[in-house]
Amino acid sequence: SQQGEEDPQALSIQEGENATMNCSYKTSINNLQWYRQNSGRGLVHLILIRSNEREKHSGRLRVTLDTSKKSSSLLITASRAADTASYFCATDAGGNKLVFGAGTILRVKS
Amino acid sequence: DTAVSQTPKYLVTQMGNDKSIKCEQNLGHDTMYWYKQDSKKFLKIMFSYNNKELIINETVPNRFSPKSPDKAHLNLHINSLELGDSAVYFCASSRSVYQPQHFGDGTRLSIL
Repeated sequence: SQQGEEDPQALSIQEGENATMNCSYKTSINNLQWYRQNSGRGLVHLILIRSNEREKHSGRLRVTLDTSKKSSSLLITASRAADTASYFCATDAGGNKLVFGAGTILRVKS
Repeated sequence: DTAVSQTPKYLVTQMGNDKSIKCEQNLGHDTMYWYKQDSKKFLKIMFSYNNKELIINETVPNRFSPKSPDKAHLNLHINSLELGDSAVYFCASSRSVYQPQHFGDGTRLSIL
């Protein structure tokens, strides 16, 4: 079964608005990662947050982690058309591997 | 100076054929992976190698055989291709397990 599940499945916003995506997982983790995938390309690592961290920033990205609720959120502020992509969370669920969620498809309209 | 490169980018072939996909990374990473992404974008790990040693084999049919000649290369050979093998296959690498992974741009395999 999937460890991480993103919500919503798809999100459509106007350029300049903020986009929030959520990820829920089932078992304890050491870290949680977010990736972006542009159409026809491979995944690109965005940010890693450790289980003892609550919030992390990178440019226009803000990631939060709530281990008590087993959930994380990715906020993209002041979105741009170039942010249009699929976004995946991945958790280290044990077994020497990352387990990826099904992703959120983000469309930013200009 | 591509970090993770895989070839070919597109592979169109007939059922029953045997094909290979090659992957190379120039990041000096110890761990390499093969993933399969289906039409719904779900990404599932197939194999993982650490320093040329197989550490993950995720209930993949034995028609799929990975080979790591050195820690910078991880190839995937597929025998007797089936319709259900149609997908995008991604190679990735990382410094170690659970560290951020760098992905290639995928090989789009279509079985006729």
